[in-house]
Amino acid sequence: SAVISQKPSRDICQRGTSLTIQCQVDSQVTMMFWYRQQPGQSLTLIATANQGSEATYESGFVIDKFPISRPNLTFSTLTVSNMSPEDSSIYLCSVDPSGSGETQYFGPGTRLLVL
Amino acid sequence: GENVEQHPSTLSVQEGDSAVIKCTYSDSASNYFPWYKQELGKGPQLIIDIRSNVGEKKDQRIAVTLNKTAKHFSLHITETQPEDSAVYFCASGGSGGSYIPTFGRGTSLIVHP
Repeated sequence: SAVISQKPSRDICQRGTSLTIQCQVDSQVTMMFWYRQQPGQSLTLIATANQGSEATYESGFVIDKFPISRPNLTFSTLTVSNMSPEDSSIYLCSVDPSGSGETQYFGPGTRLLVL
Repeated sequence: GENVEQHPSTLSVQEGDSAVIKCTYSDSASNYFPWYKQELGKGPQLIIDIRSNVGEKKDQRIAVTLNKTAKHFSLHITETQPEDSAVYFCASGGSGGSYIPTFGRGTSLIVHP
């Protein structure tokens, strides 16, 4: 397993602004993942972030809206850009220490409300 | 791609009763089925998983069963306790060249003392 922390834990933002969410892992991992969990909904994968390469985005998510950085093997950031109320969600960082992506270990999440 | 259906969306039981959550999946090549528990204000936590070469797996009060022919799997919680109250997610993965699981929509389990 892995211990994951996220900052901030929650935030209230104004529409049109951007928020950067940080994810820190207590061990080096190849793959880090970013998910969105809208109220009462399931976990939707936004992108996979591998160190040293561009993030791979899932259908419906684009780099301009959700730029991701992965500067080293223990850290990643997700930015939610030009926010609208529809971006109000929980954003979750996860890792799989095995490197396959099969078993996801999640951070505590960042609860975002956009007014 | 894979599609995972989860039922029920809400389940209310009395303390001490059993709870069963059911999921179906569409990709017959899927071979890994984890279950996650998400408590209020926290991220989902892996509680049990099962692979396709096993029909049942048990860990204390929780068990998972898998029927590959019918493409469905279930989570069973016995002797429920108030601390079991949470949202439970099933997932299916391990196929199609990507091991990243597809999640169900979640079941909100409420255990009344």
